[in-house]
Amino acid sequence: DAKTTQPNSMESNEEEPVHLPCNHSTISGTDYIHWYRQLPSQGPEYVIHGLTSNVNNRMASLAIAEDRKSSTLILHRATLRDAAVYYCILRDPLNTGGFKTIFGAGTRLFVKA
Amino acid sequence: DVKVTQSSRYLVKRTGEKVFLECVQDMDHENMFWYRQDPGLGLRLIYFSYDVKMKEKGDIPEGYSVSREKKERFSLILESASTNQTSMYLCASSSPPGTVSGNTIYFGEGSWLTVV
Repeated sequence: DAKTTQPNSMESNEEEPVHLPCNHSTISGTDYIHWYRQLPSQGPEYVIHGLTSNVNNRMASLAIAEDRKSSTLILHRATLRDAAVYYCILRDPLNTGGFKTIFGAGTRLFVKA
Repeated sequence: DVKVTQSSRYLVKRTGEKVFLECVQDMDHENMFWYRQDPGLGLRLIYFSYDVKMKEKGDIPEGYSVSREKKERFSLILESASTNQTSMYLCASSSPPGTVSGNTIYFGEGSWLTVV
């Protein structure tokens, strides 16, 4: 399974934008890029996903590089409630082996008031 | 709203006890998963199931078994709990590959198990 690489931690000020990077140089053509986040003492929750084009939803934006070997999750205005661990993963919806989605350690985001 | 419910948030069990962790999803998903999460190790897949009575080993199945008698329910069993199984356990579900919503994994809130 293709793996992703993320920084261990990042820090942001409240109400400023945050750009969380993810490298996935071995991504295959059918892999979707997913982002999840895990708040303290909670299970991970879905944030956003995309294939090739940039995506926006109410939680965040996802910018995908043209060669798809990296992506960036953008939180437009960080709040204290955004402090969490953010996971970037690859999911192939056409591959039954995609059951074994690999979650790495993610990026722990600290938000300062 | 989609929901994955884990029966117990916090459990304390003794070494050697048989432990059942129950998980129920209300989304009619075929696929269900059990992960454990430990500091510095991320999420590790224990078992997954793609249909009733079907199961596949994940990356760390040793010491665990699972049961999927009904589509909505996936149970994780620790046959003889040991202290190194103290961890947070996460249940998840998703639709099958090839479906639009099969992309998304839905997690429960987690079960914190302490084995003493």
